[in-house]
Amino acid sequence: QVQLQESGPGLVKPSETLSLTCSVSGGSINHYYWTWIRQPPGKGLEWIGYIYSSGTTSYNPSLKSRVTISIDTSKNQLSLNLSSVTAADTAVYYCVRGLRQYPRPFEYWGQGTLVTVSS
Amino acid sequence: EVVMTQSPATLSVSPGERATLSCRASQSVYSNLAWYQQKPGQAPRLVIYDASTRATGIPDRFSGSGSGTEFTLTISSLQSEDLAVYCCHQYNYWPPDTFGQGTKLEIK
Repeated sequence: QVQLQESGPGLVKPSETLSLTCSVSGGSINHYYWTWIRQPPGKGLEWIGYIYSSGTTSYNPSLKSRVTISIDTSKNQLSLNLSSVTAADTAVYYCVRGLRQYPRPFEYWGQGTLVTVSS
Repeated sequence: EVVMTQSPATLSVSPGERATLSCRASQSVYSNLAWYQQKPGQAPRLVIYDASTRATGIPDRFSGSGSGTEFTLTISSLQSEDLAVYCCHQYNYWPPDTFGQGTKLEIK
């Protein structure tokens, strides 16, 4: 059973860069699509972007100028960097894998990690 | 960007009764629609994909229907463990994928 675990700072200052890592266990990171999704407190889900194991990426146009998703297949990890954060970036951030070899829908989810942007 | 609108915002149903949740897309997404269940403090769980296919491990009391712009998630006989927020997700037009704001299902 694939397991995803997000990790990173729970508090980030405004204008700084949010950096999160997702560790994949119980299966290979290769030949799958890996997505980041976030959920502001009390609100709905927002798709941030995905990366394929080859390194191909796709980002939400509303975040594209600030987002970088990368992958390290040797470590079975992927990462999310979101620059110039504001309070609007406060959310639970989820690492997600698509159904079988497809980028969506989203079958496997990490438990999520809350990131608060505050000085 | 495709806007997904769910109704009602909150639904209260008695155990054993039928629950019907709706999701509308601002343009046709064909059958490229999924439903997720999110219990308090947990990550979402895939329930239905391709509008009507149950995900692995989902009880057969859950069913999905619809295509184009109108979709429905039905729980035929509500159980107490079905208390959750249910949201729809279109994956026909991307980026970005878009989600509905969710329907909170309460047990009456």
